[in-house]
Amino acid sequence: DIQMTQSPSSLSASVGDRLTITCRASQTISNSLTWYQQKPGKAPMLLIYTAYILQSGVPSRFSGSASGTDFTLTISSLQPEDFATYYCQQSYSTPWTFGQGTKVEIK
Amino acid sequence: EVQLVESGGALVQPGGSLRLSCAASGFTFSSYWMGWVRQAPGKGLEWVANIKEDESDKKYVGSVKGRFTISRDNAKSSLYLQMNSLRADDTAVYYCAKLAYSGSWFFQHWGQGTLVAVSS
Repeated sequence: DIQMTQSPSSLSASVGDRLTITCRASQTISNSLTWYQQKPGKAPMLLIYTAYILQSGVPSRFSGSASGTDFTLTISSLQPEDFATYYCQQSYSTPWTFGQGTKVEIK
Repeated sequence: EVQLVESGGALVQPGGSLRLSCAASGFTFSSYWMGWVRQAPGKGLEWVANIKEDESDKKYVGSVKGRFTISRDNAKSSLYLQMNSLRADDTAVYYCAKLAYSGSWFFQHWGQGTLVAVSS
């Protein structure tokens, strides 16, 4: 199985901060990487697919990038509604696997 | 507007069975792969199973193979997950999700989830 390792597991940040979350795959997954946002008690929401394509309706402050087996989610200027948990997920091969999540909290 | 509404979650004893349903609307259900993802209390997301549009292909995570069966009824725009031989570690919120493909596969839309609790 492909392991997805997210870092950090949690972080504290302030409104307006630039944020970077990293996801590393244990083997090549091409660009088959998706980012989701989940707020407490809610279903996950699609943010970015195929490593860097922004889902329609998602604010442009969110962006994704890839370098080999390393993937990055960047929030250019953190907004109050962005405090949530973020997950990466690979769909290169089954079983599809998620990272353990990164919880973004208010500093 | 895409809507996915899960139902069927309940408290069940270890070794028991349960059937989850997901009613879909707002899109042509028969044209999309569908899947189930679960989340144990306080834990992360875990992919469970996917099913092709015509049921000709089904995929499962190893921990549920032989115990869970994913199926669909395109005439009713409904997705199902039959869960047998339930164990305590199957306790989770189960999400129904619509898949899409654009360079890679991803879960484009999610339901609100239904809670399955396995306990004696």
